[in-house]
Amino acid sequence: NAGVTQTPKFQVLKTGQSMTLQCAQDMNHEYMSWYRQDPGMGLRLIHYSVGAGITDQGEVPNGYNVSRSTTEDFPLRLLSAAPSQTSVYFCASRDSGWDEKLFFGSGTQLSVL
Amino acid sequence: DQQVKQNSPSLSVQEGRISILNCDYTNSMFDYFLWYKKYPAEGPTFLISISSIKDKNEDGRFTVFLNKSAKHLSLHIVPSQPGDSAVYFCAASVGGSEKLVFGKGTKLTVNP
Repeated sequence: NAGVTQTPKFQVLKTGQSMTLQCAQDMNHEYMSWYRQDPGMGLRLIHYSVGAGITDQGEVPNGYNVSRSTTEDFPLRLLSAAPSQTSVYFCASRDSGWDEKLFFGSGTQLSVL
Repeated sequence: DQQVKQNSPSLSVQEGRISILNCDYTNSMFDYFLWYKKYPAEGPTFLISISSIKDKNEDGRFTVFLNKSAKHLSLHIVPSQPGDSAVYFCAASVGGSEKLVFGKGTKLTVNP
């Protein structure tokens, strides 16, 4: 059981480039989300989805786009990368119960030069 | 405005002793609290949780205490082991919500 899989693990971009961070889960979870972790800032929610075709914004959504065409996949798109988007990105999923816990992927380290 | 606060960036304890990690929150609507552990270059992993209808939850060496009146929770690790050395994040949500709010984390070092 692979859980939550993120690709790539590392990425370097130039300012203005676009790219997509991939996230897939094999647990049939309805809820999926993206967080970013910056030094001294903890994890902050970027976007989330409560099911296929449904997405919503989190705390820090600007500069990012998401879609959820299938239950398994939840890609995060950087439209025009900026140095402020240098961070570690974590994808997570959970089941739809009231007290279900989040399962996290291993993260993508992104550097924008 | 930070809704979940972990005011100690780091904590160092001796192997075999108790580790106590603290967390404060400001949003009285939070009714579900979790602790996650994170090793370098890995994603956070779930450790233990507690709902607001309880004031204590135990799982082996780990116990979480919730004081709703003080809006405070703590994680106790007894006995502490070197493998417990990691960053610990406190998180909170309104039950059933996808929006987990995390603290900044506390780096625990357990010395042999």
